[in-house]
Amino acid sequence: GAGVSQSPSNKVTEKGKDVELRCDPISGHTALYWYRQRLGQGLEFLIYFQGNSAPDKSGLPSDRFSAERTGESVSTLTIQRTQQEDSAVYLCASSLGVGSHQPQHFGDGTRLSIL
Amino acid sequence: AQSVSQHNHHVILSEAASLELGCNYSYGGTVNLFWYVQYPGQHLQLLLKYFSGDPLVKGIKGFEAEFIKSKFSFNLRKPSVQWSDTAEYFCAVNNRNQGGKLIFGQGTELSVKP
Repeated sequence: GAGVSQSPSNKVTEKGKDVELRCDPISGHTALYWYRQRLGQGLEFLIYFQGNSAPDKSGLPSDRFSAERTGESVSTLTIQRTQQEDSAVYLCASSLGVGSHQPQHFGDGTRLSIL
Repeated sequence: AQSVSQHNHHVILSEAASLELGCNYSYGGTVNLFWYVQYPGQHLQLLLKYFSGDPLVKGIKGFEAEFIKSKFSFNLRKPSVQWSDTAEYFCAVNNRNQGGKLIFGQGTELSVKP
């Protein structure tokens, strides 16, 4: 497709389980961003990639969160030992390059619910 | 720490009313400013952006925003709203020294009554 694709669209899991969220950026986009949106709040930055390196991972809330990216393609965000406070919509965005002059194109997000 | 504040959580207007959504940010350096919109059931889309130059920027669908540096503000306006403007609106700020990382406000839900 032409846009950013995220999967799954919804994920319900039990507390303590690990989850993996996937993001397929727009082809040719070298920059990829992960954000989290908790209920009633704005988007929180988590991490961004330039190619397969992550120059800024300052937004990852704890060491239970990790992300990787293969080349300039797919990225996965992994949450280990999930907690109820991890419940949120996880959004991925991509852009042609790093730098604010490049608009970020957002996916539809993965809605994660921790029981 | 850098932050963005949107004054209104939920705004309800009738069609043809004028709209102004407030946005203030806290950062003393050089910033780029954005408004994003999320229509029901759709993903976030860029509405307009400010990088430099004329502080009054025009976006899609008749929206505009004014950057007032002295007030650290970037308010969104539209002279006459339509029912189709019903959506959630997010203000975002980027510190030019931090790549493309965006700091978002909490969002304002706009409901336009037909």
